[in-house]
Amino acid sequence: GEDVEQSLFLSVREGDSSVINCTYTDSSSTYLYWYKQEPGAGLQLLTYIFSNMDMKQDQRLTVLLNKKDKHLSLRIADTQTGDSAIYFCAETPEGRGKLQFGAGTQVVVTP
Amino acid sequence: KAGVTQTPRYLIKTRGQQVTLSCSPISGHRSVSWYQQTPGQGLQFLFEYFSETQRNKGNFPGRFSGRQFSNSRSEMNVSTLELGDSALYLCASSPDGYEQYFGPGTRLTVT
Repeated sequence: GEDVEQSLFLSVREGDSSVINCTYTDSSSTYLYWYKQEPGAGLQLLTYIFSNMDMKQDQRLTVLLNKKDKHLSLRIADTQTGDSAIYFCAETPEGRGKLQFGAGTQVVVTP
Repeated sequence: KAGVTQTPRYLIKTRGQQVTLSCSPISGHRSVSWYQQTPGQGLQFLFEYFSETQRNKGNFPGRFSGRQFSNSRSEMNVSTLELGDSALYLCASSPDGYEQYFGPGTRLTVT
């Protein structure tokens, strides 16, 4: 499902910060997630935020949640070449068990 | 803990055949969700099983079915394969349906 919207591409220089944005649809989503997918691999759960939180920080990752605007962002500090991947935002519009994903943002890190 | 395992990793089938994919969740996890990933449709939810019961179902035809065993291992079956069923099939394991950890996927090619 692509009711969750993300920009498709982001280019960033190594060492800079990356910010990936997402707009989700359902204000009742309990959790919101960020996943990373490298070529030929499954999805790696990076972080998630409970809907009653505004911000969550986990090492180089910072998640910001604006419930009023249904906007979620992921900031990666000190971006490295190993961060090149597709990043997916996901929500839980129908409760547990079902994730609804955006189309993914391809992040390319240049030296 | 061992991660989520999926077998087989690659599969080639002919139109009209059927296929069974297997997923072994992380030990102690009782929820298994299945997703289909294609370039055109992105990530789409198929179904979720929790303690051997289907708890959630996506919008796929009845040719797609699944089950879960008492040890939480899950299988999904696709009957009467169509070319459009070619995709990466991902399963995700979770203790409760929210925090989902994905396996590497099964790449199905239908010819």
